Amino acid sequence: QQQVKQSPQSLIVQKGGISIINCAYENTAFDYFPWYQQFPGKGPALLIAIRPDVSEKKEGRFTISFNKSAKQFSLHIMDSQPGDSATYFCAAGRTYKYIFGTGTRLKVLA
Amino acid sequence: GAVVSQHPSWVICKSGTSVKIECRSLDFQATTMFWYRQFPKQSLMLMATSNEGSKATYEQGVEKDKFLINHASLTLSTLTVTSAHPEDSSFYICSAPDRGNTGELFFGEGSRLTVL
Repeated sequence: QQQVKQSPQSLIVQKGGISIINCAYENTAFDYFPWYQQFPGKGPALLIAIRPDVSEKKEGRFTISFNKSAKQFSLHIMDSQPGDSATYFCAAGRTYKYIFGTGTRLKVLA
Repeated sequence: GAVVSQHPSWVICKSGTSVKIECRSLDFQATTMFWYRQFPKQSLMLMATSNEGSKATYEQGVEKDKFLINHASLTLSTLTVTSAHPEDSSFYICSAPDRGNTGELFFGEGSRLTVL
């Protein structure tokens, strides 16, 4: 199965800092790259997503940077808050069949 | 926004029994739903695609006879774990695609299964 590699596995950031999570994919046919946030015992919730025809997308404090040639994309969380502490998953795929990364456990210190 | 509801949110059963998990789309119709499995502190693994009115499509390595999927209506898909064993203990999550073909998946809250 195609993999989506995600790093780092865990991340600790001070309140107000920038959290950066990276992902790399293999299949050039993928056309949808979402980021999900998951709290313990809950289902994932979509944060932001991007298509390969743009290199960056920003929604509030969340930004996706996309590098098609390198087959990499990243999530930037600006002004990180303690409430952002959660597990973040990147995903990649097409027609709703997505492969998820291994997850990044983010802890934002108050 | 669209809501996907799962029931039960957690269930404990004895080894050898069967457990049914329901996934409902509350304010929209979904001809397709997806079932995922998630082990503790691990990623989501797609198990199968549930298709309304037809057979489910299973991912490689997923036992069809173990994980029975039925999509009887446009708002309900069910996953039945048959003859459950402790190794089936996991977090099962369903999802449904948005109506606008944007690519977005709406996930349910998940169902925690513990098999004793």
